[in-house]
Amino acid sequence: GAGVSQSPSNKVTEKGKDVELRCDPISGHTALYWYRQSLGQGLEFLIYFQGNSAPDKSGLPSDRFSAERTGGSVSTLTIQRTQQEDSAVYLCASSLGQQETQYFGPGTRLLVL
Amino acid sequence: QKEVEQNSGPLSVPEGAIASLNCTYSDRGSQSFFWYRQYSGKSPELIMFIYSNGDKEDGRFTAQLNKASQYVSLLIRDSQPSDSATYLCAPTGAGRRALTFGSGTRLQVQP
Repeated sequence: GAGVSQSPSNKVTEKGKDVELRCDPISGHTALYWYRQSLGQGLEFLIYFQGNSAPDKSGLPSDRFSAERTGGSVSTLTIQRTQQEDSAVYLCASSLGQQETQYFGPGTRLLVL
Repeated sequence: QKEVEQNSGPLSVPEGAIASLNCTYSDRGSQSFFWYRQYSGKSPELIMFIYSNGDKEDGRFTAQLNKASQYVSLLIRDSQPSDSATYLCAPTGAGRRALTFGSGTRLQVQP
């Protein structure tokens, strides 16, 4: 079956611009996660959605970052006024439920010039 | 203290040897543990999942868990060059809603 998909696969933007990253989770998965991975670093948790519950936003690094999940499926991560330090791979994962196995998408490579 | 500690490596082993990857965690409430493998430039993929003390074997992979010592390890027998990757440890825990990943150990298997 289809796995987690993300778009775009690569994004180059100029400092100060806004970007939107999209994640399509595996069908039927109620939990969706966003992570960030800088070059050579580990995974940094950003935000977590579980069903209709309020999202866990505890990992968002600043108020320039926001995310939403429409209809319990597709999610969009928005970064406003991008900075060079935002350059990283943004990974989305989904799971059947809380604390279940997470399946990762291919990621979006963001480069802020 | 970090929630999850892993030696960043690189851990270099010859082909055919046993690779031992270790992970310690600070949350005594952690119930179960995932091991993910991440090839360079790729996304993490699940290798093993363990929740009971002791060993769990799957092919060439064995996960070992010791909750009293807050220690989990991954053994790879008959290591192959294709095992060269970064291995991430991720515990779940009571009250935790998302996995907390360690920074990973980079394994290099020399042909």
